[in-house]
Amino acid sequence: GAVVSQHPSRVICKSGTSVKIECRSLDFQATTMFWYRQFPKKSLMLMATSNEGSKATYEQGVEKDKFLINHASLTLSTLTVTSAHPEDSSFYICSAPVQGSTDTQYFGPGTRLTVL
Amino acid sequence: GEDVEQSLFLSVREGDSSVINCTYTDSSSTYLYWYKQEPGAGLQLLTYIFSNMDMKQDQRLTVLLNKKDKHLSLRIADTQTGDSAIYFCAEGKRGGYNKLIFGAGTRLAVHP
Repeated sequence: GAVVSQHPSRVICKSGTSVKIECRSLDFQATTMFWYRQFPKKSLMLMATSNEGSKATYEQGVEKDKFLINHASLTLSTLTVTSAHPEDSSFYICSAPVQGSTDTQYFGPGTRLTVL
Repeated sequence: GEDVEQSLFLSVREGDSSVINCTYTDSSSTYLYWYKQEPGAGLQLLTYIFSNMDMKQDQRLTVLLNKKDKHLSLRIADTQTGDSAIYFCAEGKRGGYNKLIFGAGTRLAVHP
């Protein structure tokens, strides 16, 4: 199947700093990518839809100035957590749909963010 | 509204069959998916079923869909310790947007 990578896999940062997470589609182009946040023992919560060449679409309750999304190319989307706080600590996962008969989404391995 | 529900925990003995259940509310969903998440890892697509199908079998996996009751199940035959993971069902619609709605996940524990 299609492969989606994320970098870094783990990051620890101090409160007030910003952290950038990359999501890449390795063997296909993705005009759309999705960013999810997963809380412990909870489902994935869709945060936003990243659109190549245009602004991201944020889900209700997600601060767009806090979670900056840039879809720089057909294979790369970045999520920047700005002025991070301990409550932003979470597992962030991206996905990309492969256009076709099933529009199946392929997920990255996730990024564990810990804010001290 | 959109809502997907799953039981949170299932424990089975190695070699037995596991059945994980899921209910959803959006009757316009086009596809229903099962994803597997192992500890510390991302989601791996296991299988999916199109909404006009009743059943899909893929090796040890059998997906049953009751569209009338909006009930989806995943059966794993001959469950192995390597099957221990969290299983998420998700509903989605065909199209460029393809937003997925996930259940909370069922943690499957396989014991000897």
